[in-house]
Amino acid sequence: GAVVSQHPSWVICKSGTSVKIECRSLDFQATTMFWYRQFPKQSLMLMATSNEGSKATYEQGVEKDKFLINHASLTLSTLTVTSAHPEDSSFYICSARPLIAYEQYFGPGTRLTVT
Amino acid sequence: AQTVTQSQPEMSVQEAETVTLSCTYDTSESDYYLFWYKQPPSRQMILVIRQEAYKQQNATENRFSVNFQKAAKSFSLKISDSQLGDAAMYFCAIAPRTYKYIFGTGTRLKVLA
Repeated sequence: GAVVSQHPSWVICKSGTSVKIECRSLDFQATTMFWYRQFPKQSLMLMATSNEGSKATYEQGVEKDKFLINHASLTLSTLTVTSAHPEDSSFYICSARPLIAYEQYFGPGTRLTVT
Repeated sequence: AQTVTQSQPEMSVQEAETVTLSCTYDTSESDYYLFWYKQPPSRQMILVIRQEAYKQQNATENRFSVNFQKAAKSFSLKISDSQLGDAAMYFCAIAPRTYKYIFGTGTRLKVLA
């Protein structure tokens, strides 16, 4: 149980275009979903927290107009990287927290390369 | 502010032996959870073990156990009978009431055959 999927697993896009990443909790309802960014050989950096039906809360230094987050249902959150640039290339990981739990379950991640 | 410190960037252990990964943290909260996650080369984050701060008993999950010292704010992970599949990055994390994780910088564990 507690499976989180992420799609796509990898994506290459051209500079200036937008790309959407989906995060789904497959067998539980997620009150809260989180989006992280991970640079090579580093820890996970929290970008934003999203609750179903409300606006996402962004961490300091994260551009909310660039990283659009939508949490439309209790099982789906999306991250859209708008007007992507090479510096946005990274590994993006989502996680989901079940209704009555402290732990987060993580998706397999999405590798984004902007050329 | 809350912080998590993993002072060992890299550790090595011989197959079948025991290794302990250290983690210290700082928080002003009285109610929180602590976690160890494993990130193998696939980069999928896998929950290894969780500890509720209000519980004095140390959590165990098969070959994995923790030594939770609340007063010292220490939360180490012991891996017994190490296996080649245990090789990975291990991250310690604290989750206060906001549910947002604060991660440590990670410890890379190598298992030697």
